[in-house]
Amino acid sequence: EVQLVESGGGLVQPGGSLRLSCSASGFTFSSYAMHWVRQAPGKGLEYVSAISSNGGSTYYADSVKGRFTISRDNSKNTLYLQMSSLRAEDTAVYYCVKDLDWGQGTLVTVSS
Amino acid sequence: EIVMTQSPATLSVSPGERATLSCRASQSVSSNLAWYQQKPGQAPRLLIYGASTRATGIPARFSGSGSGTEFTLTISSLQSEDFAVYYCQQYNNWPQWTFGQGTKVEIK
Repeated sequence: EVQLVESGGGLVQPGGSLRLSCSASGFTFSSYAMHWVRQAPGKGLEYVSAISSNGGSTYYADSVKGRFTISRDNSKNTLYLQMSSLRAEDTAVYYCVKDLDWGQGTLVTVSS
Repeated sequence: EIVMTQSPATLSVSPGERATLSCRASQSVSSNLAWYQQKPGQAPRLLIYGASTRATGIPARFSGSGSGTEFTLTISSLQSEDFAVYYCQQYNNWPQWTFGQGTKVEIK
């Protein structure tokens, strides 16, 4: 059974940084591209970032380009999202996604 | 970017009635279309993938159809647990997945 467990969310001040992690199990992590999707409170789903199976290719939504960095450690079956220069509009639940399997999400709140 | 447009924004239905939700893509996504159900405080739950294949454990009252740019999710007889927000997602254009804005199915 695929399991994706996000961690690292919390309250951060505007301009601050945070690193999210996603621990994966139940599948061969190194064989799959991985994704981050977010959902602001009361809003719809927004695609944030993707990384290829070997980490060689990455993609970012325009809203986070230059501020967020996606990475992975295939030896640890873990996906990361390094977020910097955070803004109030980055406040959201961040979901780790593999194909069509989703984690439960971790809440990031950007507020002073 | 492929834009996904869902209609209606809100659908008011009585329990036991049929619900039909629509999703339109701005360009063809072949059959690379998924439907999700989301309840407050929960992650999206996959209902349909490949436009018409039910995910594991999804009741037969949920069905999907369409290809190209026009898609439909039908709930044949609404149960109380089906009142939720439904999203469509295209995954044809990797890595630029896009989502519809959602349809809220509420009790009439």
